[in-house]
Amino acid sequence: EADIYQTPRYLVIGTGKKITLECSQTMGHDKMYWYQQDPGMELHLIHYSYGVNSTEKGDLSSESTVSRIRTEHFPLTLESARPSHTSQYLCASSEPRTGDTEAFFGQGTRLTVV
Amino acid sequence: KQEVTQIPAALSVPEGENLVLNCSFTDSAIYNLQWFRQDPGKGLTSLLLIQSSQREQTSGRLNASLDKSSGRSTLYIAASQPGDSATYLCAVGANQAGTALIFGKGTTLSVSS
Repeated sequence: EADIYQTPRYLVIGTGKKITLECSQTMGHDKMYWYQQDPGMELHLIHYSYGVNSTEKGDLSSESTVSRIRTEHFPLTLESARPSHTSQYLCASSEPRTGDTEAFFGQGTRLTVV
Repeated sequence: KQEVTQIPAALSVPEGENLVLNCSFTDSAIYNLQWFRQDPGKGLTSLLLIQSSQREQTSGRLNASLDKSSGRSTLYIAASQPGDSATYLCAVGANQAGTALIFGKGTTLSVSS
């Protein structure tokens, strides 16, 4: 089983609140990703990081921000949550230096904004 | 722009059947292809990773094949079991730098006992 953890698993929060979704991995992977998945739909990349102090926006526009201060930690923040942010957020990591590039995913955070 | 399509969208079979899930992608210049399993409300579990230079990978009752030139991959599940019920996702890696995986919408499999 992959060593990548997301907290919280479920979150219900009111409109306008600031929230941070946590993602940590203990595999020492350089690359980390955040995906958004609506029910019945494919995963869309919203942020990724090649390593410490590296962050990039993904294909899907998102009002969230990320930071990568430590290799193992890649939190995602919404400054002001809105109902349109209701979705599942999935964090992943991979290690291209090994030549394998297999991606491992966390269990996800299901966010509901009311 | 790379697009990944999975057919069928849903599949119901009785226990014990062998089945094939299909994945196609529009740009054959991929670095790798990965099959995942997703249970309802959960994250993704990696099943098989195929590098672009490989033709297939096997793990237990699962066998995945890759035909880059035709832009296709198949996931073969032998002797299906109720515990195999889940959504199966196909994802392609675009390049060695690994900007990210591009996913299909998945095939939702239901195996009845």
